[in-house]
Amino acid sequence: GESVGLHLPTLSVQEGDNSIINCAYSNSASDYFIWYKQESGKGPQFIIDIRSNMDKRQGQRVTVLLNKTVKHLSLQIAATQPGDSAVYFCAENPGANSKLTFGKGITLSVRP
Amino acid sequence: NAGVMQNPRHLVRRRGQEARLRCSPMKGHSHVYWYRQLPEEGLKFMVYLQKENIIDESGMPKERFSAEFPKEGPSILRIQQVVRGDSAAYFCASSNRALNTGELFFGEGSRLTVL
Repeated sequence: GESVGLHLPTLSVQEGDNSIINCAYSNSASDYFIWYKQESGKGPQFIIDIRSNMDKRQGQRVTVLLNKTVKHLSLQIAATQPGDSAVYFCAENPGANSKLTFGKGITLSVRP
Repeated sequence: NAGVMQNPRHLVRRRGQEARLRCSPMKGHSHVYWYRQLPEEGLKFMVYLQKENIIDESGMPKERFSAEFPKEGPSILRIQQVVRGDSAAYFCASSNRALNTGELFFGEGSRLTVL
């Protein structure tokens, strides 16, 4: 069956360090991927996206890497800040109808 | 530029009652999605609607749940005869399909508690 999953349920990092959040997907037909951030009590917020014709995409302090060979997606956050503390979800879209499939989520905790 | 608006933000119901959750998409968006999130879990797709049409309801439970997106007014997710297992956060998202980016804009969610 199709699934999107995350390797680790929690990640604790020191403020100022870089964070790497990993995600595996199983649907080889997926051509669009998104990382969302969800703060406590709020809805998911878009962070960054990437299409399958790309390997890397950079935003402000964030980079998404896509390895289609092993169906792996990662989110890198540079100079992690306390405000980055949240649950992060990767999501995939097979492209047919924009129905995003979400992974279970990983909690990022930033230590001061 | 108002985002996706959901109400109520919190709803408490007793078993057997009905719950109605409302969602107004972003201006210019004609595609609405409902997701359910259980505590400590990810978002599970429920239903995808366009104005007056249900496009994909593959994630909707077969009984007690229904959704609509009328020509005028917000999208409604309706849960009849609620049970404790319905307690969850229900998120609505909208998109402008014409952009074909796939990005969904989420509301803040409606948190349903069934006593």
